[in-house]
Parts: sequence; C-alpha cells; structure tokens
Amino acid sequence: QVQLVESGGGLVKPGGSLRLSCAASGFTFSDYYMSWIRQAPGKGLEWVSYISSSSSYTNYADSVKGRFTISRDNAKNSLYLQMNSLRAEDTAVYYCASARKLPEFDYWGQGTLVTVSS
Amino acid sequence: QSALTQPASVSGSPGQSITISCTGTSSDVGSYNLVSWYQQHPGKAPKLMIYEVSKRPSGVSNRFSGSKSGNTASLTISGLQAEDEADYYCCSYAGSSTFRFGGGTKLTVL
Repeated sequence: QVQLVESGGGLVKPGGSLRLSCAASGFTFSDYYMSWIRQAPGKGLEWVSYISSSSSYTNYADSVKGRFTISRDNAKNSLYLQMNSLRAEDTAVYYCASARKLPEFDYWGQGTLVTVSS
Repeated sequence: QSALTQPASVSGSPGQSITISCTGTSSDVGSYNLVSWYQQHPGKAPKLMIYEVSKRPSGVSNRFSGSKSGNTASLTISGLQAEDEADYYCCSYAGSSTFRFGGGTKLTVL
C-alpha cells in the first residue's frame, strides 16, 4: 500500500539548518507532484512548497522563500526539504504529501516534528 | 498570504447534516475550481475528502459533498456519524503556483 515516511526532524537552534526526507513506496513516485505542508502545534495546515514530478517546477510559500529548498530523487523515491536560517515560527509538524494534480493532496505521511528553540 | 476563512467550530447531532464554509477571495476560491477538503483526526495525518470543489476520491463516503458559490466553498456532511468528529480544512489554488489552506473547523458530533 501507499506509504510516505518522513524523517529528519528534531530540535534546532534559531538560525540553524535541518534537512527533512520523505521516503515513498507503493505508488509510482515519479508520476506525482510532491509537497511539504506544515502544522504548528495546535494550529492549522500551511502549504510550504511543491515540486513537479520531474523537478522542473518548484515553488514556495512567502514565509519560507529564500530559506527552504525542495528537491526529489525519483531513482530513490525520495523527497527532501533543506531548511536554513530556521526561526521559532518554523516550529511545526512537517508532512510530505503527494498529488496527481495540485491541490489534491491524496497521500500524506505521518509527519516529522521540527522544533526551533534556543 | 492569509488563510482562507472557516468557522472555528460547528456541531450537529447524529443523523443531522452540517455545512462548513470556506471563504476566500476572487484571487483564490472565486477564480479556480481547485478547492479540496481534508479531514484530520487528532494526532493523525489529514485525509483528502473532496477535490475540484465537488469530486469525491474513491473510498470516501457519499455523505460528504462539496460545492462553491462565488468566493465561498462549502463542505456538507449528511447523516452525521460519531466518526465524523474531526478537524476539517479547505485548500484552494491561489494563483502563481501557490496554495492556501483554511484555518480549520472543529466538528463536534453531539
């Protein structure tokens, strides 16, 4: 069955960096858009970034533009999010999600918690 | 990029119908039929319930339906069941390859 498994979260100091990974299985990863969506503790969902199936197109929310970089490796069925210059407001559970067409996020991982604190 | 507007909470009794609204602007909900809805139980990942305003993914109960009028999209759940109690989020394409979620609505089944 479809599985998306995020990893790489943890505690990081303000200004620090973290790289999240998402391992996909059970579907043809290279056919799907992929996105990162986050949820601050007790808050709602916020779209962070997306990447097209062949990595030709990417985009970011204004809140992370210039600090985060999304990438994928279709040979490894993996999605990544490089997060630099982290701020306290980036503290959230980060979900990876797939989509045949945006914004139909049809499969989601269980999320990985990123905490930015000194 | 402010969030789409949803009521913080709605409630209904088993068997009743409820509607959750999602209000955006002419730059997002009003301009595109690209609205989706997600159900999220506590501690769980969101689940796609409706896409393209009113389409249901395979496996989603036909008690869930979606619609749109102007800048407002709506999710209706008929024949409320206890397991429908969850948070619900709308999401819309907002132009320029960006996407916007609603603030979320907590559904309580009385």
